Amino acid sequence: SQQGEEDPQALSIQEGENATMNCSYKTSINNLQWYRQNSGRGLVHLILIRSNEREKHSGRLRVTLDTSKKSSSLLITASRAADTASYFCATDPMDTGRRALTFGSGTRLQVQP
Amino acid sequence: EPEVTQTPSHQVTQMGQEVILRCVPISNHLYFYWYRQILGQKVEFLVSFYNNEISEKSEIFDDQFSVERPDGSNFTLKIRSTKLEDSAMYFCASRASQGLFFGSGTQLSVL
Repeated sequence: SQQGEEDPQALSIQEGENATMNCSYKTSINNLQWYRQNSGRGLVHLILIRSNEREKHSGRLRVTLDTSKKSSSLLITASRAADTASYFCATDPMDTGRRALTFGSGTRLQVQP
Repeated sequence: EPEVTQTPSHQVTQMGQEVILRCVPISNHLYFYWYRQILGQKVEFLVSFYNNEISEKSEIFDDQFSVERPDGSNFTLKIRSTKLEDSAMYFCASRASQGLFFGSGTQLSVL
């Protein structure tokens, strides 16, 4: 099984609507992070939520974390065409011997103007 | 704002040739990483580097791959004998407390 699986795989919404993306993971984590990737570009860090946090906000972004369900959601409010990108969750595992993040497959968000 | 820089942005090579991908991580970061992303697929972890040695590597990172930090600023990924399936975008990253900072990537095409 894969760590950090997002759903939906693809999402198309109209500008101004909210976009919600979900991420599920398998193992215990120190934190969970969301990244954005524009087509053909590098990943940009959006937000980090620690395992003892339940919700975090940053501008139009709202992230929730439910460690009992091993799931997280990313909400983008009042979406804009410029939010069109792929969004990835990445888990920082609890095992302190492993420092590498594990990325999910991503959600491709298309915001129609 | 500090950033991770990668060169070249594109690299085309013949199968069996050696390639070196270069990265300059953010100067006060201590952990460095290489990831790769085959077109349309997941971002896959290759290797992490700390204190001038490999701290972790994935099953992808076989004997054909090596990393080096030759001069305290550059961080390189070498593929000794490229295969067609090595074609991917290769990302370098360095780590801060608030997450990874990624470079823009090197698109490697093996012909």
